[in-house]
Amino acid sequence: NAGVTQTPKFQVLKTGQSMTLQCAQDMNHNSMYWYRQDPGMGLRLIYYSASEGTTDKGEVPNGYNVSRLNKREFSLRLESAAPSQTSVYFCASSEVDRVVGQPQHFGDGTRLSIL
Amino acid sequence: AQKITQTQPGMFVQEKEAVTLDCTYDTSDQSYGLFWYKQPSSGEMIFLIYQGSYDEQNATEGRYSLNFQKARKSANLVISASQLGDSAMYFCAMREGRGFSGGYNKLIFGAGTRLAVHP
Repeated sequence: NAGVTQTPKFQVLKTGQSMTLQCAQDMNHNSMYWYRQDPGMGLRLIYYSASEGTTDKGEVPNGYNVSRLNKREFSLRLESAAPSQTSVYFCASSEVDRVVGQPQHFGDGTRLSIL
Repeated sequence: AQKITQTQPGMFVQEKEAVTLDCTYDTSDQSYGLFWYKQPSSGEMIFLIYQGSYDEQNATEGRYSLNFQKARKSANLVISASQLGDSAMYFCAMREGRGFSGGYNKLIFGAGTRLAVHP
């Protein structure tokens, strides 16, 4: 019963390098999300995908791109990493719903350090 | 603009006692949902409890209950009979109801409260 799986769990990059964070869910959810969590702050939405084939910007999209590869997978790419992108990244998924009560289910996070 | 405020950066409680974690929110929508998540030191985000704006009764899930005061726009989490394993960060989050025809479930999070349970 994996739920939401993120890879890698830890990564150290140099400024200017690129990398892709992977996320997969096995709950047959339609919607998927990428958040970042910085010290002393709650989670902030980077990008989301309401359903397969669609993606939209969240609160802090600059410096990131996403790909909804299929219903299960949603990746986050840093094209040219900057120290300000040092953070913990969470992927989440949820059911599509027309009411507000569906919780999001989170992966364990990726700790990313940019030197 | 919607906003979540958690005014207690840190709280501590004695084991077996109850504790209330505060959350106030700001929204102009009539339909919205309020969530609490727990983040232990291991880092994962665990969904605890949900309260809908139209729910007449306060939500409860085991030792967790949500003290929902709509007029005051507060949604405090009450943990009864605290256990050592309750030591964690707790986040309050809100989702607004409008504009969800596309199934968009955007959550806005507060900054969190760190709870320490002492033996």
